[in-house]
Amino acid sequence: GAVVSQHPSWVICKSGTSVKIECRSLDFQATTMFWYRQFPKQSLMLMATSNEGSKATYEQGVEKDKFLINHASLTLSTLTVTSAHPEDSSFYICSARAATRGEQYFGPGTRLTVT
Amino acid sequence: AQSVTQLGSHVSVSEGALVLLRCNYSSSVPPYLFWYVQYPNQGLQLLLKYTSAATLVKGINGFEAEFKKSETSFHLTKPSAHMSDAAEYFCAARGSNFGNEKLTFGTGTRLTIIP
Repeated sequence: GAVVSQHPSWVICKSGTSVKIECRSLDFQATTMFWYRQFPKQSLMLMATSNEGSKATYEQGVEKDKFLINHASLTLSTLTVTSAHPEDSSFYICSARAATRGEQYFGPGTRLTVT
Repeated sequence: AQSVTQLGSHVSVSEGALVLLRCNYSSSVPPYLFWYVQYPNQGLQLLLKYTSAATLVKGINGFEAEFKKSETSFHLTKPSAHMSDAAEYFCAARGSNFGNEKLTFGTGTRLTIIP
């Protein structure tokens, strides 16, 4: 149980375009989802926290207009990188937490390459 | 605010030898503590967690960690390293009060196993 999936696992896009990443909780309802960013050989940095039906809470320094997060249902959250640039290339990881569970379950990550 | 420090960004041990990965936390109250493992191009997998019950926590794959409040430490150990243990390991902390779900990660330790 407690499986989280991400789609796509790897995406390449051109500079200036937008790309959407999906995060799904497959066997539980996720009241809270988290989006992290990981640069090569570095740790995970929390970008934002989203609660189902509410606006996401962004960490300091994260541009909310650039990284659009939608948590429209209890099993799906999406991260849209708008007008992507090469510096947005990174590994994006989501995690999900159910109301009845204390820990976060992590997705397998999405590698974004912007050319 | 809490922080997590992992001493040693890179640890190498021989196959069959003891694995010791160090983690220290800084927090006004003892937090909940976690160890995660990450294999290349994958998300994070929970190894074990401390949530104020037993101070010696046993996890998956033969790993265990001991919470020492006096030393503000939560070091990860495994008696005998296996080649499959080669990966990146992250220590993380979050507040122990309900609703405080944000995880703070250490910078990670890359474990290499020498045949």
